[in-house]
Amino acid sequence: AQKVTQAQTEISVVEKEDVTLDCVYETRDTTYYLFWYKQPPSGELVFLIRRNSFDEQNEISGRYSWNFQKSTSSFNFTITASQVVDSAVYFCALSEPLSGNTPLVFGKGTRLSVIA
Amino acid sequence: NAGVTQTPKFQVLKTGQSMTLQCAQDMNHEYMSWYRQDPGMGLRLIHYSVGAGITDQGEVPNGYNVSRSTTEDFPLRLLSAAPSQTSVYFCASSYARQGARETQYFGPGTRLLVL
Repeated sequence: AQKVTQAQTEISVVEKEDVTLDCVYETRDTTYYLFWYKQPPSGELVFLIRRNSFDEQNEISGRYSWNFQKSTSSFNFTITASQVVDSAVYFCALSEPLSGNTPLVFGKGTRLSVIA
Repeated sequence: NAGVTQTPKFQVLKTGQSMTLQCAQDMNHEYMSWYRQDPGMGLRLIHYSVGAGITDQGEVPNGYNVSRSTTEDFPLRLLSAAPSQTSVYFCASSYARQGARETQYFGPGTRLLVL
């Protein structure tokens, strides 16, 4: 069975603060993929990053960074110097390609509000 | 290149009515899927397809039918709408080859209200 837990339902920060969104996953497979998606108030789902289970290097893209730690089954997402445009719901997702055809299992999301 | 398109954007139905949510993609993706999004529940998989002529059930398939006659289109049919099907529906697609299959690209969503 696979499961993704985003324990933070809602987070509110003041603009320019750093914020970390937590994601903890459960899987029995050694090969799996982790994802983050952003859902802004307009409603569409925007793909942010994909990471496979064999690559534990942290990733940085502008103000976004991701910390993947297999030892704690976590794939956390940090926004540095947050901006109002970062306000959105963020979803973490897991896929186990060798365990069947189910594409993605999503966490319940974290709603981030960045206040000016 | 339009990506994944969905129609309609918004629909109101009465209980018992039927309708089809349309989904199309122009990226030649083999994989297509339907999710529903409900408050506090994240996205849950309804049905998916690994290619034309092949479909399978996801986590919450009851009350929905799908078919895949072409690579481009993957319509979702509600046979007899119920208030519990009030939700936002997302269609997604991806390549099927392992390693690429999992990066799903989503359509803009269809907001459905069943009265």
